[in-house]
Amino acid sequence: EAQLVESGGGLVEPGGSLRLSCAASGFTSGNYWIWWVRQAPGKGLVWVSDVSPDGSETKLADFVKGRFTISRDNAKNTVYLHMNSLRAEDTAVYYCARGGVYFAVDIWGQGTLVTVSS
Amino acid sequence: QSALTQPPSASGSPGQSVTISCTGTSSDVGGYNYVSWYQQHPGKAPKLIIYEVSKRPSGVPDRFSGSKSGNTASLTVSGLQAEDEADYYCNSYAGGNIFFVFGTGTTVTVL
Repeated sequence: EAQLVESGGGLVEPGGSLRLSCAASGFTSGNYWIWWVRQAPGKGLVWVSDVSPDGSETKLADFVKGRFTISRDNAKNTVYLHMNSLRAEDTAVYYCARGGVYFAVDIWGQGTLVTVSS
Repeated sequence: QSALTQPPSASGSPGQSVTISCTGTSSDVGGYNYVSWYQQHPGKAPKLIIYEVSKRPSGVPDRFSGSKSGNTASLTVSGLQAEDEADYYCNSYAGGNIFFVFGTGTTVTVL
């Protein structure tokens, strides 16, 4: 069964850093775009970033540019979201998802909670 | 880039139909046939139910259908069932430096 599992979330102080991981199993993640989407408590979904199958193309939402980067290690079937200069407004559940169809994602992880607070 | 506009809530009785709108601009919904819809139950990850405006992934019941006219996309759930009670989000490709944008979300209640 194809699935994604996120890890790396937790409590971090404002200005701190975290690295989220998205591990794929049951399929070769290197064949797919991977998205990161976040959802603040009680709020809606927000697209954050994505990366091409070979990692050569990455995109970031304006509100994280200069602070977050996305990368992947296809040998480990894992995609990463590197988050720096974290702010309180970055507090959210972060989901990774597989771009299994054109311009949409068909498999989602269970999410990992990031809390930015002092 | 602002989120696409959806009504906060919609409701219907079992067996009825409900339609949710998703309004954007000519730069996103109106400019591309890359609108998708996601269903999210409380505490769960979203699930893809419609992509490329009107295509259904395998396993999604044909009670779910999508369409688009101009800058507004729509999701119709026919023959409402109790398990359809959830939040629904649209998403559109927006190109340029925006890339992808989600809707504000609609909570569907089955009366």
